[in-house]
Amino acid sequence: DTGVSQDPRHKITKRGQNVTFRCDPISEHNRLYWYRQTLGQGPEFLTYFQNEAQLEKSRLLSDRFSAERPKGSFSTLEIQRTEQGDSAMYLCASSHVWGGQETQYFGPGTRLLVL
Amino acid sequence: QKEVEQNSGPLSVPEGAIASLNCTYSDRGSQSFFWYRQYSGKSPELIMSIYSNGDKEDGRFTAQLNKASQYVSLLIRDSQPSDSATYLCAVPARYNTDKLIFGTGTRLQVFP
Repeated sequence: DTGVSQDPRHKITKRGQNVTFRCDPISEHNRLYWYRQTLGQGPEFLTYFQNEAQLEKSRLLSDRFSAERPKGSFSTLEIQRTEQGDSAMYLCASSHVWGGQETQYFGPGTRLLVL
Repeated sequence: QKEVEQNSGPLSVPEGAIASLNCTYSDRGSQSFFWYRQYSGKSPELIMSIYSNGDKEDGRFTAQLNKASQYVSLLIRDSQPSDSATYLCAVPARYNTDKLIFGTGTRLQVFP
């Protein structure tokens, strides 16, 4: 257990529904990343926060995806009008930059299945 | 866009053997390199990081970095069936602190 938690662990939804995932990072970590992973591929970056500021979003991220990190603590990732292609494992990672170096620790992930 | 390449495997080794996993990267300016282990259906777990040329050892794991040749490898000594997993190589997109670019992973199978 890395100390990063995600909820829910599994989500099954029907196409067109909205879903929201939550990530609680390690408490002293100021950076929080969201990645998506499909079968046979490595995790793919979606977006990240430093404290409460969203610093970067992937160009691959459609406008159906939105993320927040109010007060620089937990983060939520919402997918609106889900599509079958959104089925994947959604991973959250937290990190702290120290001495110009950074190590990311992953939570258990949320597995999404869109029917 | 940086690229990180790994052989997808599977790499099959007998129990007790040395497993050698390789990763190449495209950006000569990369400074940090990470190996994550991922069991089927689980999330990636950090096992090694390396920043300097040469070897870094941690228990049965050794990471090797050669910046001139732009490759990083992971050796697992005395391989155990519990080492059977996918091993992901990752490099920050910029400098040492940034989103990670992952390879597709190498699946390792250790048979008794």
